[in-house]
Amino acid sequence: AQSVTQLGSHVSVSEGALVLLRCNYSSSVPPYLFWYVQYPNQGLQLLLKYTSAATLVKGINGFEAEFKKSETSFHLTKPSAHMSDAAEYFCAVRIAAGNKLTFGGGTRVLVKP
Amino acid sequence: EPEVTQTPSHQVTQMGQEVILRCVPISNHLYFYWYRQILGQKVEFLVSFYNNEISEKSEIFDDQFSVERPDGSNFTLKIRSTKLEDSAMYFCASSADGFSGSLTEAFFGQGTRLTVV
Repeated sequence: AQSVTQLGSHVSVSEGALVLLRCNYSSSVPPYLFWYVQYPNQGLQLLLKYTSAATLVKGINGFEAEFKKSETSFHLTKPSAHMSDAAEYFCAVRIAAGNKLTFGGGTRVLVKP
Repeated sequence: EPEVTQTPSHQVTQMGQEVILRCVPISNHLYFYWYRQILGQKVEFLVSFYNNEISEKSEIFDDQFSVERPDGSNFTLKIRSTKLEDSAMYFCASSADGFSGSLTEAFFGQGTRLTVV
């Protein structure tokens, strides 16, 4: 079985500041990890994915995430927040091809001018 | 760019009525999924579908739910007798997993907001 925990349901950052969203996972086998973003009234868009290649993964819109097996973490970062980053972000885990995605509870990001 | 499309975008139905939510997955994908998101809660897995049969389902996916791929392009979710607690955003997704044994990301549709009154 797999599970995902996202620390902090809401994060507020100033424009230009670092964005850090925390994700910890639990999996009985090596996981595949994903970050999705959901803008208001829209579907889920993939930001980036870890599939056992490089541990530092770069995604769209300047986001990146680092897989740390020892910490069972896959935190999402962006060096400088932009107003357009205001959205809800979901961390998710899969354990095999065709397997379901298990999502964390989501973190809503508010960007202050 | 290929995308998953869902219809309708909004559906309001009376409690006890049947609803069918429709999805057109990306054409060369092999796995199809339904997820739901109750307002303010996390995205939950309902069911996955591969090779014309259910490959996995959650405890949420009880006898009131069914899925079908009627014509090789559409993928539908039917709720036979809707309850108030079925009100949620329903997302369809598809993935190309299986090609060369690889795992790829799931692509999501925009969702259907179902309101049961």
